[in-house]
Order: sequence, then C-alpha cells, then structure tokens
Amino acid sequence: DAGVIQSPRHEVTEMGQEVTLRCKPISGHDYLFWYRQTMMRGLELLIYFNNNVPIDDSGMPEDRFSAKMPNASFSTLKIQPSEPRDSAVYFCASSTQGRTDTQYFGPGTRLTVL
Amino acid sequence: QKEVEQNSGPLSVPEGAIASLNCTYSDRGSQSFFWYRQYSGKSPELIMSIYSNGDKEDGRFTAQLNKASQYVSLLIRDSQPSDSATYLCAVGSSGGSYIPTFGRGTSLIVHP
Repeated sequence: DAGVIQSPRHEVTEMGQEVTLRCKPISGHDYLFWYRQTMMRGLELLIYFNNNVPIDDSGMPEDRFSAKMPNASFSTLKIQPSEPRDSAVYFCASSTQGRTDTQYFGPGTRLTVL
Repeated sequence: QKEVEQNSGPLSVPEGAIASLNCTYSDRGSQSFFWYRQYSGKSPELIMSIYSNGDKEDGRFTAQLNKASQYVSLLIRDSQPSDSATYLCAVGSSGGSYIPTFGRGTSLIVHP
C-alpha cells in the first residue's frame, strides 16, 4: 500500500486566500484524522471522520476551517480566508475501525501564509 | 481536558548510552499508550504501543507503563545517532473512542 497520501506537500499563499489541503487515506481504513502541528502548540487534532462522517470537530479553531470527506478515499481541509497564524504543518492520518488509537500519518502539508 | 505532559528537552546522550524518555497523563481511565518517533521535517511514526502495566520490549526499545502513577516511559538502549528525533507520547482516551491525545514531544540528541 502507498500509505496516506497528502497534497500539496508545500503551500505558500497570501493572507485572505483560500487554501485546500487534500488527503487520501490507506485503503480499507475507516477513520481519518486531520492534525495541525506547530512549535508552540504541538500536534493538535482538528477533526476526525468515521466512515466518511465527521464525528468530532471540536478541535477546528474557527469557522474559517472546514473539512469534508465525500468518499472513503478522499478528504479535504479548507481554510477560507487564510491568516498568517494558520501557518503550520497539517497532517492527515488514518486508522482501522478496531484500532483508532494506532494511526498512520501522511507526509504532511507545510502551509505558509504570508 | 485530557493532558499528556513531556519534557521538551533536548535530551542529549552519548552514543551507546541508554536514553530515557518520560510522559505523564491526566486521564486515569486511559487504556492505550503509544510512542511515536518524528524526524525533523517528517511525519510521526509509531514505534511502540503498550496496554498493560509493566515493560514491553522490542529490540532496543522498552516501553514501561505504570497506571497507578499515570506515567509511561520509553527506554532506548545502545542509542545511535540515527535515534536523534522528537519522540511523541500518545495516550488513548477512555470512554470508548480511544482517540489518542498527543504530548508535545521530547527532542532526543544522540552525539557520537
């Protein structure tokens, strides 16, 4: 298996622009997680899905952030409008139904908002 | 709010020594405990999991769990420069979902 795939790997944008991050989980995994990592706050869980349904989005920082999972093999995290404080590495991870605590991470997207 | 605490380090050890990384957690009902390794610029990678009190060994790595004291540790024997990385402790929450909470990580430097 190719593992969790994320795109783009790097994104540089200007404040106010819309940013869309993409993730393809490992085939057969029922859970998908979006994380944000910064030096100041560490690894933060933003939202997770089970069978394409959002289960907990309490970690989403504000309404500018939204996430969707239209099917089992694709998810997006959108920031609109983006702000400099959104600069971070965003990771997608997936896991199986029985082992939600054993997660496989994608390579991450490094987002820089100028 | 479930808390997972780690000393940020850096922890510096000489090559060949034992590196000891520690983690404490606040949720007494936690059921599962993990150590992830993260190289600079890379994603976290699961290296150890432990579910019961005591020690679990895997090669040069030993995870130790003490639920009564609410701490989990990772020992790395015969440390190598390639072990230099940030080590994240993750604790699976109680209540059925087992979604882990991550600590902020300890930076380990193994110098030749």
